[in-house]
Amino acid sequence: DAKTTQPNSMESNEEEPVHLPCNHSTISGTDYIHWYRQLPSQGPEYVIHGLTSNVNNRMASLAIAEDRKSSTLILHRATLRDAAVYYCILWKTGANNLFFGTGTRLTVIP
Amino acid sequence: NAGVMQNPRHLVRRRGQEARLRCSPMKGHSHVYWYRQLPEEGLKFMVYLQKENIIDESGMPKERFSAEFPKEGPSILRIQQVVRGDSAAYFCASSRDRLETDTQYFGPGTRLTVL
Repeated sequence: DAKTTQPNSMESNEEEPVHLPCNHSTISGTDYIHWYRQLPSQGPEYVIHGLTSNVNNRMASLAIAEDRKSSTLILHRATLRDAAVYYCILWKTGANNLFFGTGTRLTVIP
Repeated sequence: NAGVMQNPRHLVRRRGQEARLRCSPMKGHSHVYWYRQLPEEGLKFMVYLQKENIIDESGMPKERFSAEFPKEGPSILRIQQVVRGDSAAYFCASSRDRLETDTQYFGPGTRLTVL
């Protein structure tokens, strides 16, 4: 399984932007970058995914480095409901599952 | 459109008993995935099923664990003769198509406690 590296934890103030980094230096050309988050006592929730270009949706933005060895999930305005563990996952074409690491635990401070 | 449903949400078993976990995928989804999450760890893939077929069970322990996804009804993850190490949260996910073209939608999980 392709490896990603994320900080164990991060803090953000409410209503400020949050940038969650992810390193994936061994990414191969056809690996997609997925982000999921898991709120306390819930199942993971899809956030966003991309291949090469930056992506935006109603939940977040995904900025992918030009060499694709790193990416950043951007929450434009953190709310208390965004407090969760965020997982950066590389999905390889043909794989049957997502490989979850330990993720980044985001704390949002009121 | 209801999301992925799992039941029971909490299950307590004594060592040696059987645990049966059920997962109903989202409407129109024919791909089901089971994951296990130990305390303070990330999710670990167990098995991937399509209707009536096991596609990939590489993450499932060879003994005591089995999974099925019948033509009618929910997917079942069955753990026989449970041990304390089986205590974990078990999550089911579903997708309409294979992962190339679709994302996974997760249920709320079943928290199994083995006494």
